[in-house]
Amino acid sequence: AQKVTQAQTEISVVEKEDVTLDCVYETRDTTYYLFWYKQPPSGELVFLIRRNSFDEQNEISGRYSWNFQKSTSSFNFTITASQVVDSAVYFCALSDHNYGQNFVFGPGTRLSVLP
Amino acid sequence: DSGVTQTPKHLITATGQRVTLRCSPRSGDLSVYWYQQSLDQGLQFLIHYYNGEERAKGNILERFSAQQFPDLHSELNLSSLELGDSALYFCASSEGQGNSPLHFGNGTRLTVT
Repeated sequence: AQKVTQAQTEISVVEKEDVTLDCVYETRDTTYYLFWYKQPPSGELVFLIRRNSFDEQNEISGRYSWNFQKSTSSFNFTITASQVVDSAVYFCALSDHNYGQNFVFGPGTRLSVLP
Repeated sequence: DSGVTQTPKHLITATGQRVTLRCSPRSGDLSVYWYQQSLDQGLQFLIHYYNGEERAKGNILERFSAQQFPDLHSELNLSSLELGDSALYFCASSEGQGNSPLHFGNGTRLTVT
């Protein structure tokens, strides 16, 4: 069965600090897809990024970067120079290749960025 | 705007009642997922439909049922409601491939009193 673990329940940082959110996954599939979502206090869920299991290149988008390491089954998310607007719950998710039948979310990490 | 429409936004009802939540997926999306999010909890997967067919079931209670119609919209029916059913219910849609991200609606907040 597929599983996603986000060991950090809550993180608090001061504005401009860098912060890394951890995500560890379990799957028996050789082809799978990893995602990150953001849920700000307003409640909506926003898709941030998708990564294929066969593409281990790290990705950077502005202040956001993602580090995918198959060897440790991890897909960590780093926010550089955090801002108050980054305060949200962040979810890591895992999908199999079979029509996205099993789309599993981690428990989420609540990030608070203090001014 | 994700393109996924959920109605109603808020619903307040009494224990024992039945409600129907509605979801219209993004244009072109074949898959619809339902998730439940209780206060300060994660996303609990309820059920997944692909092009009208049930594809996967999570920990969905027997009091809950869902369907996806030929026009691809979906409804989640919750019956014999209990206080513990109070939660935010999200619908999400995707193109239906494994690498397709889910696009979420804004949710229906259900309060059972």
